Amino acid sequence: EPEVTQTPSHQVTQMGQEVILRCVPISNHLYFYWYRQILGQKVEFLVSFYNNEISEKSEIFDDQFSVERPDGSNFTLKIRSTKLEDSAMYFCASSEGTVYGYTFGSGTRLTVV
Amino acid sequence: ELKVEQNPLFLSMQEGKNYTIYCNYSTTSDRLYWYRQDPGKSLESLFVLLSNGAVKQEGRLMASLDTKARLSTLHITAAVHDLSATYFCAVVTSGTYKYIFGTGTRLKVLA
Repeated sequence: EPEVTQTPSHQVTQMGQEVILRCVPISNHLYFYWYRQILGQKVEFLVSFYNNEISEKSEIFDDQFSVERPDGSNFTLKIRSTKLEDSAMYFCASSEGTVYGYTFGSGTRLTVV
Repeated sequence: ELKVEQNPLFLSMQEGKNYTIYCNYSTTSDRLYWYRQDPGKSLESLFVLLSNGAVKQEGRLMASLDTKARLSTLHITAAVHDLSATYFCAVVTSGTYKYIFGTGTRLKVLA
């Protein structure tokens, strides 16, 4: 069964450093998303991406965040200057359309120290 | 702004028992999704409910959607230990692509 692949599975970074989280969505999917989950809490929407541009973003997705689809297969989330409160599990997801359910990746656990 | 609430937040039940998890949402939506999450793992799609009155069943789990009441239920029949996990509902409002997740229900089935 097709999968959404995320790398790395765990990243530890110093506060103020830049991080890039990588995702390879399912190949025929057109819509891409990033969500995050702070430990033990609910899953929060960050951003959706379609046709090479952001279609929607949340209040969390401020100027420190950016997304890119650099080569037609990867989908990345960059955090420019990490804060302690950015520590969370970050999930990438993709879908064929807006009605079908998403397929989520296995997640990247980001720890900011 | 769309709000999604689940109850209960925690549920400890004996094997073989039945129980229902509730998902209420605050504004009109015709799409609701249920996911399962094991500790430290990703979100696994369980059900996609796309219309009022939709009912889906898979094994010991059955999900339904009442868009007029803004309510979805996830019913567990004759629970087994393997169903222990956190269950999330997620709702999409018209004109958006994003899911708003519920608070999650942490289910523990005791052998």
